[in-house]
Amino acid sequence: GAGVSQSPRYKVAKRGQDVALRCDPISGHVSLFWYQQALGQGPEFLTYFQNEAQLDKSGLPSDRFFAERPEGSVSTLKIQRTQQEDSAVYLCASGEAEQFFGPGTRLTVL
Amino acid sequence: DQQVKQNSPSLSVQEGRISILNCDYTNSMFDYFLWYKKYPAEGPTFLISISSIKDKNEDGRFTVFLNKSAKHLSLHIVPSQPGDSAVYFCAASVGNAGNMLTFGGGTRLMVKP
Repeated sequence: GAGVSQSPRYKVAKRGQDVALRCDPISGHVSLFWYQQALGQGPEFLTYFQNEAQLDKSGLPSDRFFAERPEGSVSTLKIQRTQQEDSAVYLCASGEAEQFFGPGTRLTVL
Repeated sequence: DQQVKQNSPSLSVQEGRISILNCDYTNSMFDYFLWYKKYPAEGPTFLISISSIKDKNEDGRFTVFLNKSAKHLSLHIVPSQPGDSAVYFCAASVGNAGNMLTFGGGTRLMVKP
């Protein structure tokens, strides 16, 4: 497709479960970003990839959060031992000056 | 400490009139600013951007104004249409290529027919 796609669109996890969220960026885009958006707030930066290199992970809230982009295209955000405070929409974006966002994955941790 | 703030959580405007959405920032290193529009259950959609070397950028019905001394930017929509009803986020970055965006909290715009 032409845009950024993310899957799943919705994920419900029990507290303590591990989850994996997938992002397919726009083909050819070098830069890929992950953001977390809590209800009623703006997106907050999590991590940034340039091709397969993770250049900035300063926004990851804890060591339970891990992201990878092994071949420089698709990226996966993994959250281990999910907690209720992890409930949010996780947005992926690709692009340089203007970042193009996917529809997000809404994660609910019960 | 919020570096980008949108102090109006909501704005209601009559169709055909001007909508003005405001945004303030505190980090003087920011030199690239963007506005995004978001509908429910969708990701943010890029609208318009401005570099700090300019004070105005126009694209159709949308104009962004930047006042660097006041660390303030605004988005003007003229004329407003019901389809413009959405949440609008301003965002800022240091540099304009491959740099993280810092977002404001958003303003919900409602355009009444």
